Amino acid sequence: DAKTTQPPSMDCAEGRAANLPCNHSTISGNEYVYWYRQIHSQGPQYIIHGLKNNETNEMASLIITEDRKSSTLILPHATLRDTAVYYCIVRVYNTDKLIFGTGTRLQVFP
Amino acid sequence: GAVVSQHPSRVICKSGTSVKIECRSLDFQATTMFWYRQFPKQSLMLMATSNEGSKATYEQGVEKDKFLINHASLTLSTLTVTSAHPEDSSFYICSGTSEYQETQYFGPGTRLLVL
Repeated sequence: DAKTTQPPSMDCAEGRAANLPCNHSTISGNEYVYWYRQIHSQGPQYIIHGLKNNETNEMASLIITEDRKSSTLILPHATLRDTAVYYCIVRVYNTDKLIFGTGTRLQVFP
Repeated sequence: GAVVSQHPSRVICKSGTSVKIECRSLDFQATTMFWYRQFPKQSLMLMATSNEGSKATYEQGVEKDKFLINHASLTLSTLTVTSAHPEDSSFYICSGTSEYQETQYFGPGTRLLVL
């Protein structure tokens, strides 16, 4: 199973873009990258996912490098409510299983 | 996104008793449901995968006789913690997905405290 590496914590000023990096150097060609976040004492919330191309939705943008060994989640205008633990996950090939790593604790400050 | 609910949201029980947690997909048919456990300040740990109408598949190290999972319908899965002990105290989270979805949708979690 591909593993991911994320910084344990990051800070971001409110209104600025938050760029959360993730390394997944052992990812295989048909494994998707998923991002979820977990606000304290709640279930994880789906943010975005992608395979090769960059993706954007109403919550965030996902930038995947050409060699697919790393990706960046971008929250374009962070708010205080974006304070959470962000998980970068590589979905196990040919299954629906998500194996969570340790994530990045993002603190958005006023 | 799709909605998954869990009941109860929190439960306190005595050591040695059994506790049942329900996970429901409210607006989609979940052909596959997952159960996770999360200890304080730790990440989610996948416990088992259940497909509707089939026996659950447990992750290594998870006791199937202690954590009974039933997925009898496309909208309901249950996790029963049998003979609960204080070390079973944790945050239990379920998720569901279907063959038409590329994502898992998570429930709000159930906090279990065993005294």
